[in-house]
Amino acid sequence: GQNIDQPTEMTATEGAIVQINCTYQTSGFNGLFWYQQHAGEAPTFLSYNVLDGLEEKGRFSSFLSRSKGYSYLLLKELQMKDSASYLCAVIDSNYQLIWGAGTKLIIKP
Amino acid sequence: GAVVSQHPSWVICKSGTSVKIECRSLDFQATTMFWYRQFPKQSLMLMATSNEGSKATYEQGVEKDKFLINHASLTLSTLTVTSAHPEDSSFYICSAPRGSGDYNEQFFGPGTRLTVL
Repeated sequence: GQNIDQPTEMTATEGAIVQINCTYQTSGFNGLFWYQQHAGEAPTFLSYNVLDGLEEKGRFSSFLSRSKGYSYLLLKELQMKDSASYLCAVIDSNYQLIWGAGTKLIIKP
Repeated sequence: GAVVSQHPSWVICKSGTSVKIECRSLDFQATTMFWYRQFPKQSLMLMATSNEGSKATYEQGVEKDKFLINHASLTLSTLTVTSAHPEDSSFYICSAPRGSGDYNEQFFGPGTRLTVL
């Protein structure tokens, strides 16, 4: 079966750095997305990785290792507004999005 | 960036009535759109894939006669929840992929919150 694992919940301090991991087992791979979702809102796009390596975009970076079926989202200089759920999603060989359950990130002052 | 809209943003209806939710891609054409449902504190659950010009593809466990999907044009898909019941209360989100080849970015609508009394 297809499976995406990410931690259920993480807590970090304002101004710090946090890394949210995602491991996946899917039928084929055509890219991995990270989305941010605030409560009651639709997810918003953060990053897309299809090749191995690190993609940096401002305070957010995303890393992919296809051989390990592993990705992480790195958030730097955390702000209170970063408190949200972070969803990892993989596009499989049928170009369907397979979603992780999301990681709830709690930022404390 | 690309924009996907949904209408209505929220709806309250009585049990037994039907509710139609529209999903539009505003500045690009989408031959495929996805419909999701999200219950509180849970991940998005893919309900069905809406295909322009052909029947929708439903995920296992999703009743196609209850959740009617019509992809009327390259920019519009509708989801009709028929004979809604309180357990259908949820947040319904659509998305549309844009791109070609190996890269498709998903653009999400803002969601429709359905409350069935």
